[in-house]
Amino acid sequence: EPEVTQTPSHQVTQMGQEVILRCVPISNHLYFYWYRQILGQKVEFLVSFYNNEISEKSEIFDDQFSVERPDGSNFTLKIRSTKLEDSAMYFCASSEEVGRNQPQHFGDGTRLSIL
Amino acid sequence: GESVGLHLPTLSVQEGDNSIINCAYSNSASDYFIWYKQESGKGPQFIIDIRSNMDKRQGQRVTVLLNKTVKHLSLQIAATQPGDSAVYFCAENRLTGNQFYFGTGTSLTVIP
Repeated sequence: EPEVTQTPSHQVTQMGQEVILRCVPISNHLYFYWYRQILGQKVEFLVSFYNNEISEKSEIFDDQFSVERPDGSNFTLKIRSTKLEDSAMYFCASSEEVGRNQPQHFGDGTRLSIL
Repeated sequence: GESVGLHLPTLSVQEGDNSIINCAYSNSASDYFIWYKQESGKGPQFIIDIRSNMDKRQGQRVTVLLNKTVKHLSLQIAATQPGDSAVYFCAENRLTGNQFYFGTGTSLTVIP
């Protein structure tokens, strides 16, 4: 069964450094998402991406965050200058069709630890 | 065994029993819902979805019930197995966009 894959599984970074989290969505999917989950808290939406541009973003997704689809398969989340509070699990998701009310399929996440 | 809303985050059931996990969603305009299962170290795994024009949907060993009047969603798992042990989240899709709003989750433990 096709799946969303994320790398690395665990990233340790010094505060203030840049980090790039990588995702390969399911190949025929058109809509891509990033969510995060701080330990013990809810899964929170960060951003959605369609047709090479941001479709929606939450208040969490400030100027320190950016997303990119550098080629036909990868979808990346960059945090420019990491803060301690960026430590969390980051999940990439994708959905097959455009529009609302579509199931989103998640990867297994990248655990980001900021020191 | 049965949990009530998001205020009871843990549920333990005997193997073979039926499980009921409840979720109180927040927005009356939400029109699409998904139940996700999250095992330790893994991402949320799609289990079953339901649209607001339905009040019940069945899958393999799982049933989702939707009561829009009281904004309540439940997941029923028949003949619960040890492999069902995980955290279960309800997620709602509101009219404002494509993002999902996740509940706090309920941790289900199946006792062999």
